[in-house]
Amino acid sequence: EAGVAQSPRYKIIEKRQSVAFWCNPISGHATLYWYQQILGQGPKLLIQFQNNGVVDDSQLPKDRFSAERLKGVDSTLKIQPAKLEDSAVYLCASSTGDAKNIQYFGAGTRLSVL
Amino acid sequence: AQSVTQLDSHVSVSEGTPVLLRCNYSSSYSPSLFWYVQHPNKGLQLLLKYTSAATLVKGINGFEAEFKKSETSFHLTKPSAHMSDAAEYFCVVTTTSGTYKYIFGTGTRLKVLA
Repeated sequence: EAGVAQSPRYKIIEKRQSVAFWCNPISGHATLYWYQQILGQGPKLLIQFQNNGVVDDSQLPKDRFSAERLKGVDSTLKIQPAKLEDSAVYLCASSTGDAKNIQYFGAGTRLSVL
Repeated sequence: AQSVTQLDSHVSVSEGTPVLLRCNYSSSYSPSLFWYVQHPNKGLQLLLKYTSAATLVKGINGFEAEFKKSETSFHLTKPSAHMSDAAEYFCVVTTTSGTYKYIFGTGTRLKVLA
């Protein structure tokens, strides 16, 4: 079974530029999550999708971050414009969304904002 | 509100000696608890989970954890450390209803000395 795929693995941009990350969840997983992991910290949930609807985006900085999951499968996370403090690893995870709620994580995208 | 505290940010053990990574949780509901491991430049991998069945949970790679409600703890142990166990470990609490949101601890970095 293929795991959660993310691209790119690494991205370096300058502040005020824009960047986009892509995630393909495990086939059949209805729930998709985007996390931000700053160095030395645990992952922080940015947004949670159930199929193509948003369940929780309370921690998403909506003035600069946006995310979509148009067909209920792939998802993209965008930052525009980027700030220095956005330097982090962005993790995508997926789950079946049932009570067991085991989340499966991708390898992440490491973003450096200069 | 749910929260989790990992009591040690760094743990060093010698190869072949026991491992103990400590985690305390706070939850208003009957919690589900997980331990994940993150190797450098890799995604998070599930080690084990507790979901109100047996209080002693066995996971992959020889790890196990014991749920102690009276102590609100879920410590991770392994009888004999291997060099390949060196990684970051995260304790996670989640509710058993609603959006099943993950709340991560800050992580414990395990170093294994030869």
